[in-house]
Amino acid sequence: AQSVTQLDSHVSVSEGTPVLLRCNYSSSYSPSLFWYVQHPNKGLQLLLKYTSAATLVKGINGFEAEFKKSETSFHLTKPSAHMSDAAEYFCVVSGADSNYQLIWGAGTKLIIKP
Amino acid sequence: NAGVTQTPKFQVLKTGQSMTLQCAQDMNHNSMYWYRQDPGMGLRLIYYSASEGTTDKGEVPNGYNVSRLNKREFSLRLESAAPSQTSVYFCASSVLEGGNTQYFGPGTRLTVL
Repeated sequence: AQSVTQLDSHVSVSEGTPVLLRCNYSSSYSPSLFWYVQHPNKGLQLLLKYTSAATLVKGINGFEAEFKKSETSFHLTKPSAHMSDAAEYFCVVSGADSNYQLIWGAGTKLIIKP
Repeated sequence: NAGVTQTPKFQVLKTGQSMTLQCAQDMNHNSMYWYRQDPGMGLRLIYYSASEGTTDKGEVPNGYNVSRLNKREFSLRLESAAPSQTSVYFCASSVLEGGNTQYFGPGTRLTVL
């Protein structure tokens, strides 16, 4: 069975400092992995995805994530936080044993301090 | 392209009332999905439709029905609403090729009193 664990429910950083949102996954197959972002009272937007190509994936708004199979991790990073990054971030896995279904993490709320 | 659209954006129901949430996509995607989002729980899949003419249960199907009206439209019906169905509902569509990237509508915020 597949699962996703987002290790922090809340992360607080100062504007201009690095962001790290942590995600571990469990999958019997080589997974596809995604990060989605949801701004307050908005829908969900795809940030980036990994589908077995390059292990370092670049997304929108300066975010990137690195797939580490040995650690079963897919952490999201950004070198310098901006106030507009304040949102909830979801790590998601899709795999061959459940092609139509995505498994969602519980979310990490990113708080940016001025 | 509008992407994925949902109606209504907000709805308040009384316990026992029925309603249908509408979803349409203009990206020519084969697969469509209905999710609910509750605080602290991420998204949970209610039903999905892999292609026109097929529907399947997801993680939390009880109390809901769906109809894949055509390739573009996928509706979610609550026959007898309950307070436990108070939630935000999202529709999504996708193609499986390239890892099943799903694209989401803006959501419907439903309150059942």
